[in-house]
Amino acid sequence: DAKTTQPPSMDCAEGRAANLPCNHSTISGNEYVYWYRQIHSQGPQYIIHGLKNNETNEMASLIITEDRKSSTLILPHATLRDTAVYYCIVRAVHYGGSQGNLIFGKGTKLSVKP
Amino acid sequence: DGGITQSPKYLFRKEGQNVTLSCEQNLNHDAMYWYRQDPGQGLRLIYYSQIVNDFQKGDIAEGYSVSREKKESFPLTVTSAQKNPTAFYLCASSLPNNYEQYFGPGTRLTVT
Repeated sequence: DAKTTQPPSMDCAEGRAANLPCNHSTISGNEYVYWYRQIHSQGPQYIIHGLKNNETNEMASLIITEDRKSSTLILPHATLRDTAVYYCIVRAVHYGGSQGNLIFGKGTKLSVKP
Repeated sequence: DGGITQSPKYLFRKEGQNVTLSCEQNLNHDAMYWYRQDPGQGLRLIYYSQIVNDFQKGDIAEGYSVSREKKESFPLTVTSAQKNPTAFYLCASSLPNNYEQYFGPGTRLTVT
């Protein structure tokens, strides 16, 4: 599985867009990009995932570069409740007999400030 | 409401004692997972189960055991053989071959 690189920490002003980068230069064609976040002392929460097209849901947008070597998670209007550690995970989907486990690194600690 | 429950939220044990952490889900998911998280670190996979009565070791299974007798339940036993059991333990579930995992609130285990 491809490795990911994320900055250890970022700050964002409340109400502004938070743009969290992730590098995955060794990603292969069948690997998806997943984003999760973990608010302090809680279980991680799924945010969004994508293969090569940009994706948007009620929580965030995911922008994947054309060469798929990097991606950006965008929280359009960050609130104080978005303060959390954000994990970028790259994983292939194996059909039949998949292990199904995700590999969580240290992620990016996003601090949203008033 | 559908979801995953873990109990208790905090657990204290003396060194040398086995302890079992509970994980229950009513999402009708076939796959369930146990992760361990140490302070300032990411999650590490302990065990996972894709189907009832079957489970596989993850990256750090030594000193742990699991069972999967029912679809909705996947208890984790931390045995006395686990050298550093104090950690935050997270249970998750998903549909088969789906990486959208749903996590429980976690159990913080302290062994002294």
